[in-house]
Amino acid sequence: NAGVTQTPKFQVLKTGQSMTLQCAQDMNHNSMYWYRQDPGMGLRLIYYSASEGTTDKGEVPNGYNVSRLNKREFSLRLESAAPSQTSVYFCASSGTGGSNQPQHFGDGTRLSIL
Amino acid sequence: LAKTTQPISMDSYEGQEVNITCSHNNIATNDYITWYQQFPSQGPRFIIQGYKTKVTNEVASLFIPADRKSSTLSLPRVSLSDTAVYYCLVAERNAGNMLTFGGGTRLMVKP
Repeated sequence: NAGVTQTPKFQVLKTGQSMTLQCAQDMNHNSMYWYRQDPGMGLRLIYYSASEGTTDKGEVPNGYNVSRLNKREFSLRLESAAPSQTSVYFCASSGTGGSNQPQHFGDGTRLSIL
Repeated sequence: LAKTTQPISMDSYEGQEVNITCSHNNIATNDYITWYQQFPSQGPRFIIQGYKTKVTNEVASLFIPADRKSSTLSLPRVSLSDTAVYYCLVAERNAGNMLTFGGGTRLMVKP
């Protein structure tokens, strides 16, 4: 099983450009998440989707939008990239049961904005 | 909001037992305590989860006292490959599926 797959793995953008980060999971999980991790820091939740058709803001949603395309896919969009959004972005998924369900993470997308 | 406090870093030597303690004074009644491990350039990986007393799996043990205001992750006989960042999490009350990752504990295992 692939688990959680993120594309692309690396990306360099110029300030003001837009981009969509893709995430897909093959574990039939209901919940999906997007985090960012800045150097030497813990992960911060950007958005999450408790189930297909729903999305909610996390701790740091400003500058981002998300789409839960179907049960498998959850994308993150930067409409106008800023240098402050340079980070590693992780997608995760978990089964039904709320916050107590373990989350399964992808390997991340490393995004640099010049 | 439930928050966790854990040491920023710890050093150990191969073959030793490592105990990492996490404080979570505001843990809610229905919250579980979950530990994740993260290697450089990888996403976090679930290690162990518990609600009370002791939980053990093939990787680690988790000790939770009766008041549940803290927990201790125990890694038996660590090796160099256990060098990683370890995160302690508790579920946020009334926050849906939100989890808050703190800064974690950076464990360095030396030969």
